[in-house]
Amino acid sequence: DQQVKQNSPSLSVQEGRISILNCDYTNSMFDYFLWYKKYPAEGPTFLISISSIKDKNEDGRFTVFLNKSAKHLSLHIVPSQPGDSAVYFCAVWDNYGQNFVFGPGTRLSVLP
Amino acid sequence: GAGVSQSPSNKVTEKGKDVELRCDPISGHTALYWYRQRLGQGLEFLIYFQGNSAPDKSGLPSDRFSAERTGESVSTLTIQRTQQEDSAVYLCATAFRGSSPLHFGNGTRLTVT
Repeated sequence: DQQVKQNSPSLSVQEGRISILNCDYTNSMFDYFLWYKKYPAEGPTFLISISSIKDKNEDGRFTVFLNKSAKHLSLHIVPSQPGDSAVYFCAVWDNYGQNFVFGPGTRLSVLP
Repeated sequence: GAGVSQSPSNKVTEKGKDVELRCDPISGHTALYWYRQRLGQGLEFLIYFQGNSAPDKSGLPSDRFSAERTGESVSTLTIQRTQQEDSAVYLCATAFRGSSPLHFGNGTRLTVT
Protein backbone atom coordinates (compact mmCIF):
# COMPACT_ATOMS: atom_id res chain seq x y z
CA ASP A 1 0.00 0.00 0.00
CA GLN A 2 1.54 3.29 -1.13
CA GLN A 3 2.25 5.73 1.66
CA VAL A 4 2.90 8.57 -0.77
CA LYS A 5 0.71 9.01 -3.83
CA GLN A 6 1.00 11.19 -6.88
CA ASN A 7 -2.15 10.44 -8.77
CA SER A 8 -1.24 12.25 -11.98
CA PRO A 9 1.42 10.33 -13.92
CA SER A 10 1.81 13.24 -16.32
CA LEU A 11 0.95 16.90 -16.76
CA SER A 12 1.31 19.29 -19.71
CA VAL A 13 1.38 23.06 -19.28
CA GLN A 14 2.00 25.98 -21.60
CA GLU A 15 5.12 28.03 -21.04
CA GLY A 16 4.43 30.99 -18.77
CA ARG A 17 1.43 29.37 -17.08
CA ILE A 18 1.27 27.81 -13.62
CA SER A 19 2.14 24.15 -13.05
CA ILE A 20 0.51 22.48 -10.05
CA LEU A 21 1.76 19.08 -8.96
CA ASN A 22 -0.10 17.22 -6.24
CA CYS A 23 0.88 14.68 -3.61
CA ASP A 24 -1.10 12.83 -0.95
CA TYR A 25 0.22 10.86 1.99
CA THR A 26 -1.39 8.41 4.36
CA ASN A 27 0.46 8.79 7.67
CA SER A 28 -0.43 11.82 9.77
CA MET A 29 2.83 11.35 11.71
CA PHE A 30 4.92 12.44 8.72
CA ASP A 31 6.28 15.90 9.45
CA TYR A 32 8.85 16.77 6.78
CA PHE A 33 8.10 16.90 3.08
CA LEU A 34 10.27 17.47 0.03
CA TRP A 35 10.05 17.80 -3.74
CA TYR A 36 12.71 16.49 -6.10
CA LYS A 37 13.13 16.99 -9.83
CA LYS A 38 14.63 14.35 -12.11
CA TYR A 39 15.94 14.70 -15.64
CA PRO A 40 16.56 11.59 -17.79
CA ALA A 41 19.78 9.72 -17.01
CA GLU A 42 20.41 11.85 -13.92
CA GLY A 43 19.67 11.37 -10.25
CA PRO A 44 16.88 13.37 -8.61
CA THR A 45 17.83 16.85 -7.37
CA PHE A 46 16.36 18.51 -4.32
CA LEU A 47 14.00 21.41 -5.07
CA ILE A 48 12.18 22.58 -1.96
CA SER A 49 10.99 21.30 1.38
CA ILE A 50 8.45 22.12 4.07
CA SER A 51 8.03 21.04 7.66
CA SER A 52 4.68 20.42 9.29
CA ILE A 53 4.88 23.60 11.36
CA LYS A 54 4.38 25.64 8.18
CA ASP A 55 1.74 25.60 5.49
CA LYS A 56 3.70 27.36 2.77
CA ASN A 57 7.31 27.67 1.68
CA GLU A 58 8.44 29.72 -1.28
CA ASP A 59 11.71 29.73 -3.23
CA GLY A 60 11.71 31.81 -6.38
CA ARG A 61 9.31 30.34 -8.88
CA PHE A 62 8.62 27.32 -6.66
CA THR A 63 6.11 27.25 -3.80
CA VAL A 64 5.11 24.24 -1.75
CA PHE A 65 1.79 24.21 0.09
CA LEU A 66 0.97 21.79 2.90
CA ASN A 67 -2.55 20.94 4.07
CA LYS A 68 -2.01 18.74 7.12
CA SER A 69 -5.67 18.03 7.78
CA ALA A 70 -6.08 16.73 4.24
CA LYS A 71 -2.65 15.06 4.24
CA HIS A 72 -1.97 16.81 0.96
CA LEU A 73 0.83 18.89 -0.44
CA SER A 74 1.31 20.61 -3.74
CA LEU A 75 4.11 22.21 -5.70
CA HIS A 76 3.37 25.33 -7.72
CA ILE A 77 5.74 26.49 -10.43
CA VAL A 78 5.04 29.92 -11.84
CA PRO A 79 5.81 30.92 -14.46
CA SER A 80 6.58 27.51 -15.96
CA GLN A 81 9.56 27.27 -18.30
CA PRO A 82 10.51 24.58 -20.85
CA GLY A 83 13.54 23.73 -18.69
CA ASP A 84 11.13 22.69 -15.92
CA SER A 85 10.14 19.66 -18.01
CA ALA A 86 11.15 16.70 -15.84
CA VAL A 87 9.75 14.08 -13.49
CA TYR A 88 8.83 15.50 -10.10
CA PHE A 89 8.88 13.30 -7.01
CA CYS A 90 7.19 14.07 -3.73
CA ALA A 91 8.99 12.60 -0.70
CA VAL A 92 8.33 12.40 3.01
CA TRP A 93 10.72 11.71 5.87
CA ASP A 94 9.67 8.61 7.78
CA ASN A 95 11.12 9.19 11.22
CA TYR A 96 10.21 5.67 12.33
CA GLY A 97 11.85 3.92 9.39
CA GLN A 98 14.63 6.54 9.18
CA ASN A 99 14.30 6.86 5.42
CA PHE A 100 12.67 9.01 2.77
CA VAL A 101 9.55 7.55 1.16
CA PHE A 102 9.02 8.68 -2.41
CA GLY A 103 5.90 8.95 -4.51
CA PRO A 104 5.81 7.44 -8.01
CA GLY A 105 6.45 10.77 -9.71
CA THR A 106 4.64 13.09 -12.13
CA ARG A 107 6.13 13.83 -15.54
CA LEU A 108 5.76 17.54 -16.29
CA SER A 109 5.99 18.78 -19.86
CA VAL A 110 6.15 22.54 -20.37
CA LEU A 111 5.28 23.36 -23.95
CA PRO A 112 6.89 26.38 -25.62
CA GLY B 1 33.85 16.36 -8.50
CA ALA B 2 31.95 17.32 -5.37
CA GLY B 3 28.86 15.23 -6.01
CA VAL B 4 27.85 11.65 -5.29
CA SER B 5 29.65 9.35 -7.69
CA GLN B 6 28.33 5.94 -8.72
CA SER B 7 30.05 3.27 -10.76
CA PRO B 8 29.58 1.69 -13.14
CA SER B 9 27.04 3.91 -14.86
CA ASN B 10 25.77 0.94 -16.84
CA LYS B 11 26.08 -2.77 -16.23
CA VAL B 12 24.80 -5.63 -18.37
CA THR B 13 25.09 -9.04 -16.79
CA GLU B 14 23.85 -12.55 -17.40
CA LYS B 15 21.24 -14.06 -15.15
CA GLY B 16 22.88 -15.88 -12.26
CA LYS B 17 26.01 -13.73 -12.11
CA ASP B 18 26.94 -11.54 -9.14
CA VAL B 19 27.28 -7.77 -9.50
CA GLU B 20 28.77 -5.09 -7.27
CA LEU B 21 27.67 -1.48 -7.45
CA ARG B 22 29.74 1.29 -5.90
CA CYS B 23 28.85 4.64 -4.37
CA ASP B 24 31.29 7.38 -3.39
CA PRO B 25 29.52 9.89 -1.14
CA ILE B 26 30.00 13.60 -0.72
CA SER B 27 32.73 14.16 1.85
CA GLY B 28 31.27 14.75 5.30
CA HIS B 29 27.91 13.17 4.56
CA THR B 30 27.24 10.65 7.28
CA ALA B 31 23.94 9.31 5.94
CA LEU B 32 23.90 7.13 2.84
CA TYR B 33 20.89 5.55 1.12
CA TRP B 34 20.36 3.07 -1.68
CA TYR B 35 17.17 3.23 -3.75
CA ARG B 36 16.02 1.29 -6.78
CA GLN B 37 13.89 2.55 -9.64
CA ARG B 38 12.35 0.00 -11.94
CA LEU B 39 11.14 1.09 -15.35
CA GLY B 40 8.05 3.30 -15.05
CA GLN B 41 8.00 3.12 -11.27
CA GLY B 42 8.97 5.30 -8.35
CA LEU B 43 11.95 5.08 -6.04
CA GLU B 44 12.02 2.00 -3.84
CA PHE B 45 14.01 2.27 -0.59
CA LEU B 46 16.57 -0.49 -0.13
CA ILE B 47 18.87 0.36 2.79
CA TYR B 48 20.16 3.25 4.88
CA PHE B 49 23.55 3.73 6.55
CA GLN B 50 24.30 6.14 9.35
CA GLY B 51 28.09 6.09 9.35
CA ASN B 52 28.93 2.47 8.65
CA SER B 53 25.97 1.12 10.58
CA ALA B 54 22.81 -0.03 8.80
CA PRO B 55 19.97 0.18 11.33
CA ASP B 56 17.36 -1.11 8.92
CA LYS B 57 17.94 -3.72 6.26
CA SER B 58 14.27 -4.61 5.83
CA GLY B 59 14.04 -2.80 2.50
CA LEU B 60 16.43 -5.21 0.80
CA PRO B 61 14.24 -7.28 -1.58
CA SER B 62 15.82 -10.66 -0.83
CA ASP B 63 18.81 -12.30 0.81
CA ARG B 64 20.61 -12.06 -2.53
CA PHE B 65 21.06 -8.35 -1.80
CA SER B 66 23.66 -7.06 0.64
CA ALA B 67 25.35 -3.73 1.26
CA GLU B 68 28.39 -2.50 3.10
CA ARG B 69 29.86 0.84 3.96
CA THR B 70 33.43 1.56 4.99
CA GLY B 71 33.43 4.18 7.72
CA GLU B 72 31.68 7.24 6.37
CA SER B 73 32.93 6.73 2.83
CA VAL B 74 32.41 4.23 0.03
CA SER B 75 29.42 1.91 -0.03
CA THR B 76 28.92 -1.17 -2.16
CA LEU B 77 25.65 -2.86 -3.02
CA THR B 78 26.08 -6.49 -4.01
CA ILE B 79 23.49 -8.57 -5.80
CA GLN B 80 24.20 -12.29 -5.94
CA ARG B 81 22.77 -14.67 -8.52
CA THR B 82 21.08 -11.85 -10.41
CA GLN B 83 17.58 -12.34 -11.78
CA GLN B 84 15.84 -10.48 -14.59
CA GLU B 85 13.58 -8.72 -12.09
CA ASP B 86 16.70 -7.09 -10.63
CA SER B 87 16.97 -4.96 -13.77
CA ALA B 88 16.58 -1.35 -12.65
CA VAL B 89 18.44 1.87 -12.00
CA TYR B 90 20.14 1.71 -8.62
CA LEU B 91 20.49 5.13 -7.03
CA CYS B 92 22.75 6.11 -4.18
CA ALA B 93 22.05 9.25 -2.17
CA THR B 94 23.86 10.87 0.72
CA ALA B 95 23.03 13.55 3.25
CA PHE B 96 24.75 15.50 5.98
CA ARG B 97 22.53 13.66 8.46
CA GLY B 98 19.56 11.36 8.40
CA SER B 99 16.73 13.76 7.66
CA SER B 100 18.65 16.30 5.56
CA PRO B 101 17.74 16.62 1.86
CA LEU B 102 19.38 13.91 -0.20
CA HIS B 103 22.03 14.38 -2.86
CA PHE B 104 21.72 11.67 -5.48
CA GLY B 105 24.25 10.14 -7.81
CA ASN B 106 23.33 9.53 -11.43
CA GLY B 107 22.66 5.88 -10.74
CA THR B 108 23.80 2.55 -12.13
CA ARG B 109 21.55 1.10 -14.80
CA LEU B 110 21.59 -2.68 -14.33
CA THR B 111 20.31 -4.92 -17.07
CA VAL B 112 20.10 -8.66 -16.41
CA THR B 113 19.78 -10.71 -19.58
